[in-house]
Amino acid sequence: GAVVSQHPSRVICKSGTSVKIECRSLDFQATTMFWYRQFPKQSLMLMATSNEGSKATYEQGVEKDKFLINHASLTLSTLTVTSAHPEDSSFYICSARGTVNYGYTFGSGTRLTVV
Amino acid sequence: AQSVAQPEDQVNVAEGNPLTVKCTYSVSGNPYLFWYVQYPNRGLQFLLKYITGDNLVKGSYGFEAEFNKSQTSFHLKKPSALVSDSALYFCAVRDGPGGYNKLIFGAGTRLAVHP
Repeated sequence: GAVVSQHPSRVICKSGTSVKIECRSLDFQATTMFWYRQFPKQSLMLMATSNEGSKATYEQGVEKDKFLINHASLTLSTLTVTSAHPEDSSFYICSARGTVNYGYTFGSGTRLTVV
Repeated sequence: AQSVAQPEDQVNVAEGNPLTVKCTYSVSGNPYLFWYVQYPNRGLQFLLKYITGDNLVKGSYGFEAEFNKSQTSFHLKKPSALVSDSALYFCAVRDGPGGYNKLIFGAGTRLAVHP
């Protein structure tokens, strides 16, 4: 079945630094990638949607200059948290959608801790 | 706007007993409905989906869900619960008829299966 690899699974960074999270679709072409943020014991909040080769569409309230999304190829999308602050600490999850079977495949998530 | 509601924060069930996790939806047009399961610090695993066809949908790990149009519900069920089924369950609806549309998630229901 469809697999999405997300790395790193955990990252700790200092305030003010940037962190990049990668999501790769291993056996299908991800024409659309979704990035979510999840707070403890809460649901997934969609941050942005990106189509391959296009600029990402951000949800209301999400700072596009802070959360940079790149979807340059059909198998790779990245989320970069720039100038991270402790309030950016969260669980980030990507989801990829191809053109077959109308399925959404999720990565395993990245636990970001900003200290 | 499309939405789903999961009215229960937590469901407790004894191992071996049947389980039901409730979900109701509000959509314009035909609903595309999904159930996912999340284990701690992990991404979401797909359980099943309803696109069209039979109202009873069978999915992974012995789970099934019944689409009920008159009650606008899509409850997740399993005849005999296992302790390993304890996890966080999300109902979701696809936003819009297009191929790239995002998933909108419910708040999640924590299932606790006791030995």
